[in-house]
Amino acid sequence: QVQLVESGGGAVQPGRSLRLSCAASGFTFRSYGMHWVRQAPGKGLEWVALISDNGSNKYYAGSVKGRFTISRDNVRNTLDLQMNSLRAEDTATYFCATSYGGLDAFDIWGQGTMVTVSS
Amino acid sequence: DIQMTQSPSSLSASVGDRVTITCRASQNIRDSLNWYHQKPGKAPNLLIYAASSLQSGVPSRISGSGSGTDFTLTISSLQPEDFGTYYCQQTYSPWVSFGGGTNVEIK
Repeated sequence: QVQLVESGGGAVQPGRSLRLSCAASGFTFRSYGMHWVRQAPGKGLEWVALISDNGSNKYYAGSVKGRFTISRDNVRNTLDLQMNSLRAEDTATYFCATSYGGLDAFDIWGQGTMVTVSS
Repeated sequence: DIQMTQSPSSLSASVGDRVTITCRASQNIRDSLNWYHQKPGKAPNLLIYAASSLQSGVPSRISGSGSGTDFTLTISSLQPEDFGTYYCQQTYSPWVSFGGGTNVEIK
């Protein structure tokens, strides 16, 4: 079935780096734009980044621009988020998501991976 | 960036009540507005796309309306499984944005 599975979360000190991954299965990954969305504990959803189907276009939220890099491997069917210069306010559950049904809406989500930035 | 403002931020209603949540965009987004429902510890679930289209498998008591800058999500008869947080989202711009959320509590 169509599935997204995130990994790579954990605890990290401020200023350090972490790389998240999202493994896609059950669909033609290379045909879909992919997003990262995060949710701080007890807070709302915050869109983080978008990468186009072929990886040529990337968009970032202002809160992460210049620190985070979204990338994808259309052979391995994986989506990554390289997070550098991490701050306490980056503490959140990170979800990958896509518009699989062509609805211009996020109809497929992963289960999320938790990132904690603390000294 | 397009700002999305939801109201109310929380509400408490009884089973069978009609519930309405509103979402306002800071600029015209046509019908590029989606609604999600999230329960604690789970990923969001798509309810409505393109402002008024019901996602497959979503009960018909849920509906959406609006265009331009003002949108509404309506639950015609609230059920116990409808508790949780509802979010609007604009996908008019590639810089996607979400509303702040509406927490729905069952009385």
